[in-house]
Amino acid sequence: QKEVEQNSGPLSVPEGAIASLNCTYSDRGSQSFFWYRQYSGKSPELIMFIYSNGDKEDGRFTAQLNKASQYVSLLIRDSQPSDSATYLCAVKGSGGFKTIFGAGTRLFVKA
Amino acid sequence: DTGVSQNPRHKITKRGQNVTFRCDPISEHNRLYWYRQTLGQGPEFLTYFQNEAQLEKSRLLSDRFSAERPKGSFSTLEIQRTEQGDSAMYLCASSSGTGIAYNEQFFGPGTRLTVL
Repeated sequence: QKEVEQNSGPLSVPEGAIASLNCTYSDRGSQSFFWYRQYSGKSPELIMFIYSNGDKEDGRFTAQLNKASQYVSLLIRDSQPSDSATYLCAVKGSGGFKTIFGAGTRLFVKA
Repeated sequence: DTGVSQNPRHKITKRGQNVTFRCDPISEHNRLYWYRQTLGQGPEFLTYFQNEAQLEKSRLLSDRFSAERPKGSFSTLEIQRTEQGDSAMYLCASSSGTGIAYNEQFFGPGTRLTVL
């Protein structure tokens, strides 16, 4: 079992729709959860972080965390073609200092 | 520009040569990370510094890889006797280590290594 798992996609949604990206993790003691966006050929860019169970909203983005289910999600409302990118889920585990990244989900927003 | 910078941006080398990359973190950040990313994968953790101390190193990292952060500011990553499998994007990230943003990492543009 991978430490952080994401569906590789591609996930294709029409412009204006809600895109839902999901991530599961194996370390039950994990405390910090992050979503990064990575455009092709560029480095990852932090878009959301969440530390507590529940929802956290920032503009068109909502991160959801359920520690009991070891599940993190990212919702993108009113999706735009400029949202087309790979979305990386990252988890800081309970031991040590490293952050583990998933392989990412590719999102395509069709105009 | 006060973001994370990395040099060089691209490096092409022949198998067996040594290469060194440099990372300059955001000035007030005391935490620095190195990652390696290959096509279709997420960044893979290599090592972590808090100030000048290297506190964690991936078990996947062979002894050909070494990293330093001598004065707690910039860092270097050296790969000795490069192999074709070392071809990847090498990413550096930094974080402040304090307050609510204590573990949020900001990435540099990366150094793309090609080993021929």
